[in-house]
Amino acid sequence: QVQLVESGGGLVKPGGSLRLSCAASGFTFSDYYMSWIRQAPGKGLEWVSYISSSGSTIYYADSVKGRFTISRDNAKNSLYLQMNSLRAEDTAVYYCARGTYSSGWPLDYWGQGTLVTVSS
Amino acid sequence: EIVMTQSPATLSVSPGERATLSCRASQSVSSNLAWYQQKPGQAPRLLIYGASTRATGIPARFSGSGSGTEFTLTISSLQSEDFAVYYCQQYNNWSTFGQGTKVEIK
Repeated sequence: QVQLVESGGGLVKPGGSLRLSCAASGFTFSDYYMSWIRQAPGKGLEWVSYISSSGSTIYYADSVKGRFTISRDNAKNSLYLQMNSLRAEDTAVYYCARGTYSSGWPLDYWGQGTLVTVSS
Repeated sequence: EIVMTQSPATLSVSPGERATLSCRASQSVSSNLAWYQQKPGQAPRLLIYGASTRATGIPARFSGSGSGTEFTLTISSLQSEDFAVYYCQQYNNWSTFGQGTKVEIK
């Protein structure tokens, strides 16, 4: 069955960096768009970024543009999110989620999330 | 940015009753609208996409309707496992989520 497992979250100081990973299994990873979505504690969902199946198309939310970089390694069935210049408002659970063959949406499978806490 | 507004914020319903959740877009999103269910401590689950198509494995008691700017998620007869937070998401112009509707036991 489809599984998405995030890792790499933790406590980081403002201005610091963190790299999240998402290991995919149970489907042909290289066929699908993938996204990162985040959820601040007690708040709603916010789309962060998505990447096309080949990695040639990438988009970011304005709130993270220039600070976060999404990438994927189809040979390793893995999705990544490099987060730099972290701010307190980046504190959230970060989910990776699967899109479709031709679009980032909708998101039909989600991982369980990894918590990123930005605090001094 | 397209703003998605969900109402009500909280809906109190008795098991077996019908629940109707609304989602309004600040501009037309055509039928590019999805609904997700999220239970405490869990990831969201896709219920509906294309405004009215049920995702794989979703029970028939969940139905979606609407197009343009007004959308509705209906749960025909609430089961105990349906008490959760529901989010709408537009994906016509990038992606934005509504703030959620919590369906609680009355």
